[in-house]
Amino acid sequence: KQEVTQIPAALSVPEGENLVLNCSFTDSAIYNLQWFRQDPGKGLTSLLLIQSSQREQTSGRLNASLDKSSGRSTLYIAASQPGDSATYLCAATYSGGYQKVTFGTGTKLQVIP
Amino acid sequence: DTGVSQNPRHKITKRGQNVTFRCDPISEHNRLYWYRQTLGQGPEFLTYFQNEAQLEKSRLLSDRFSAERPKGSFSTLEIQRTEQGDSAMYLCASSPLGGSMHTQYFGPGTRLTVL
Repeated sequence: KQEVTQIPAALSVPEGENLVLNCSFTDSAIYNLQWFRQDPGKGLTSLLLIQSSQREQTSGRLNASLDKSSGRSTLYIAASQPGDSATYLCAATYSGGYQKVTFGTGTKLQVIP
Repeated sequence: DTGVSQNPRHKITKRGQNVTFRCDPISEHNRLYWYRQTLGQGPEFLTYFQNEAQLEKSRLLSDRFSAERPKGSFSTLEIQRTEQGDSAMYLCASSPLGGSMHTQYFGPGTRLTVL
């Protein structure tokens, strides 16, 4: 069964700290790995997408890594800001007739001013 | 507007009523997906369309649920005889057919509350 797990479920940090969010997946035969941001009551915003052949992607203060052999991905947020407060979801996409996306349950991040 | 849109954004209904949601994908996207997200959980796949053809349905999609994409553009998701357990956020996403770097683009969702 293809499962995606995110730890911790919630995280609270003071403004300015660097932080790491973790994601693990059981089936290493992924097509890509995505990180999304979700604000309360809103839809999902794609942050970074890492193809299975890549090791990492960077966008601004965000860096996502992918280690297929260990079934892990991390999202690194540098110099956190209160505006980063949201739920972060990772999602593994598997090849098939369509691209099946399996989501983790998310990490709820609170950055305290 | 170049994003995925969903209507309505919120729907409150009484148990036993039928509800219908609409999704308008990004215009050039052939693939359309519906997901359901309950509180504290990640989205779960419901169904997938490629153009007007519904090619995949999850076991989560009971007989009370039906989705259509009649002209290969917008899609509707209908829930008949709603139950309190149907209360959730219903998300729509679209993506282009082909290509190696595409991602699924999500709409803002429709939040359903069944009283």
